[in-house]
Amino acid sequence: AQSVTQPDIHITVSEGASLELRCNYSYGATPYLFWYVQSPGQGLQLLLKYFSGDTLVQGIKGFEAEFKRSQSSFNLRKPSVHWSDAAEYFCAVVPLNSNSGYALNFGKGTSLLVTP
Amino acid sequence: EPEVTQTPSHQVTQMGQEVILRCVPISNHLYFYWYRQILGQKVEFLVSFYNNEISEKSEIFDDQFSVERPDGSNFTLKIRSTKLEDSAMYFCASSISGGFYEQYFGPGTRLTVT
Repeated sequence: AQSVTQPDIHITVSEGASLELRCNYSYGATPYLFWYVQSPGQGLQLLLKYFSGDTLVQGIKGFEAEFKRSQSSFNLRKPSVHWSDAAEYFCAVVPLNSNSGYALNFGKGTSLLVTP
Repeated sequence: EPEVTQTPSHQVTQMGQEVILRCVPISNHLYFYWYRQILGQKVEFLVSFYNNEISEKSEIFDDQFSVERPDGSNFTLKIRSTKLEDSAMYFCASSISGGFYEQYFGPGTRLTVT
């Protein structure tokens, strides 16, 4: 079955430490890949996206993600986390064979807590 | 910067009542979407809308739900007879095109069905 998996429900990192959030997908063909962030009480904001080309993608707020076809993964990274990065992070895909509706299929999300 | 707006921010209704959630997408966008997020669960797709018709809908989007773009700016989601399990945060989104284009999300409407 087609799915998006974020294995980590919660992650806690110290401010200034590096961060990696995992995302794996299971689709017949590589879908369009996205990372969204949801701050408390806010809507979702796109951090970055990938479809083709350079497998290391730069996004907003200092985030980057690396696409690895062999692992069906699209992990989100940040070299140095700030307290304001505490939020919920969602990996999402749009399948290439979407029924023309371009529905985003979200993972369950990873909640990031940043400690002083 | 243009943004998607949603009203109301919080709606409380009784089971069996009809509710209409309103959204104003970004003005030059052509694709419109509704998603919902039940507390503690993932964001789920409900429906997408393009060229004045539904282009895709999920299994959640049954006959109790409908969408409309009544004028050039608003995009509405109607739930005809609300159930307790409809309690969720409802997000509207819009994009200039489909596929790889960014979907811009509104801040959401929290619907509470009592």
